[in-house]
Amino acid sequence: AQSVTQPDIHITVSEGASLELRCNYSYGATPYLFWYVQSPGQGLQLLLKYFSGDTLVQGIKGFEAEFKRSQSSFNLRKPSVHWSDAAEYFCAVGAQGAGSYQLTFGKGTKLSVIP
Amino acid sequence: NAGVTQTPKFQVLKTGQSMTLQCAQDMNHNSMYWYRQDPGMGLRLIYYSASEGTTDKGEVPNGYNVSRLNKREFSLRLESAAPSQTSVYFCASTPREQNLNQPQHFGDGTRLSIL
Repeated sequence: AQSVTQPDIHITVSEGASLELRCNYSYGATPYLFWYVQSPGQGLQLLLKYFSGDTLVQGIKGFEAEFKRSQSSFNLRKPSVHWSDAAEYFCAVGAQGAGSYQLTFGKGTKLSVIP
Repeated sequence: NAGVTQTPKFQVLKTGQSMTLQCAQDMNHNSMYWYRQDPGMGLRLIYYSASEGTTDKGEVPNGYNVSRLNKREFSLRLESAAPSQTSVYFCASTPREQNLNQPQHFGDGTRLSIL
């Protein structure tokens, strides 16, 4: 069975600083990887996804993520954080299930931004 | 606006009461999902429906039932609510089954408290 580990429960950065959120996955086949963001009181919004090809993927809001098969990682990065990026971030791995596909989520990393 | 609509947004129940959470999507998606989100646990899949007329158990199905009423609607029922079911419930949908290239679209959640 697949699993996702987000080692950092809570990260605080200053506005304008760079950001990297870590994600490690476990899956026997080629993984389908996603990053979602959740603002307080809201549902989840897709930031970016990786299926194949270029291992550096670009997403919305200036985020990018790099897939490293050798490290089983899919870390999320942003060069300069804005106060509006404060939210909770979830990494997920997708796998084919019976008749559909299922996402397995990490436990999330809460990002706080200091003005 | 197109998307996934969940009702109600908030609900308080007493132990033993029953409740149905409603979910509807107007994107003509085939697959629909119910998750629960608990602090520090990420999202866990309760049930999913690959297509109209089919439902399958996810990771944490005990204490829940679902109905795929039609292509648009997928409801989640708690027959006898327990305090352990206090959570935020999210409904999601994807355009096509067995297609990991299609990200899941999430509703804004139902916040359920059971006393």
